[in-house]
Amino acid sequence: EPEVTQTPSHQVTQMGQEVILRCVPISNHLYFYWYRQILGQKVEFLVSFYNNEISEKSEIFDDQFSVERPDGSNFTLKIRSTKLEDSAMYFCASSEVGQYQETQYFGPGTRLLVL
Amino acid sequence: ELKVEQNPLFLSMQEGKNYTIYCNYSTTSDRLYWYRQDPGKSLESLFVLLSNGAVKQEGRLMASLDTKARLSTLHITAAVHDLSATYFCAVDRGETSGSRLTFGEGTQLTVNP
Repeated sequence: EPEVTQTPSHQVTQMGQEVILRCVPISNHLYFYWYRQILGQKVEFLVSFYNNEISEKSEIFDDQFSVERPDGSNFTLKIRSTKLEDSAMYFCASSEVGQYQETQYFGPGTRLLVL
Repeated sequence: ELKVEQNPLFLSMQEGKNYTIYCNYSTTSDRLYWYRQDPGKSLESLFVLLSNGAVKQEGRLMASLDTKARLSTLHITAAVHDLSATYFCAVDRGETSGSRLTFGEGTQLTVNP
């Protein structure tokens, strides 16, 4: 069964460093998303992406964040200068377009720890 | 601002018992999703409820949607230990494709032998 994959599974970085989280969405899906989940809290939306541009972003997704689809399969989230409060599990998700039942399928997540 | 509230947030139950998790939301959207998350793992899609009165069942779990009351329920029948996990409901605005999901806080379910 097709699934969303993410790399790395864990990332430890120093405050102020740049990190890039990578995702490979399900191949026939055209909507891509990033969510994050701070430990013990609920899942929060960051950004959605369609047709090579951001379609929606939350107030969390400030200038420190960017997304990119560098090729036909990868979808990346970049955090330019990490802060301690960026420590969280980051989930990538994807969904089909044109289907009313638009379930978002989530990847396994990248656990980011900022020291 | 769209709000999604679940209760209870913590639920400890014995095997064989029945219980219901409630999800209230503030939007007029009629697209509601239930996900399961095991500790340290990703979110697994359980149900998608698309219209008023929708009911879906999978094994010991049954989800329903009342869009007039803006309420969804996840009913657990004869719980078993394998159902121990955190259950999230989520809503999108239902206006366009690719809408963001707004999640509830999650219900952490522990089923004891």
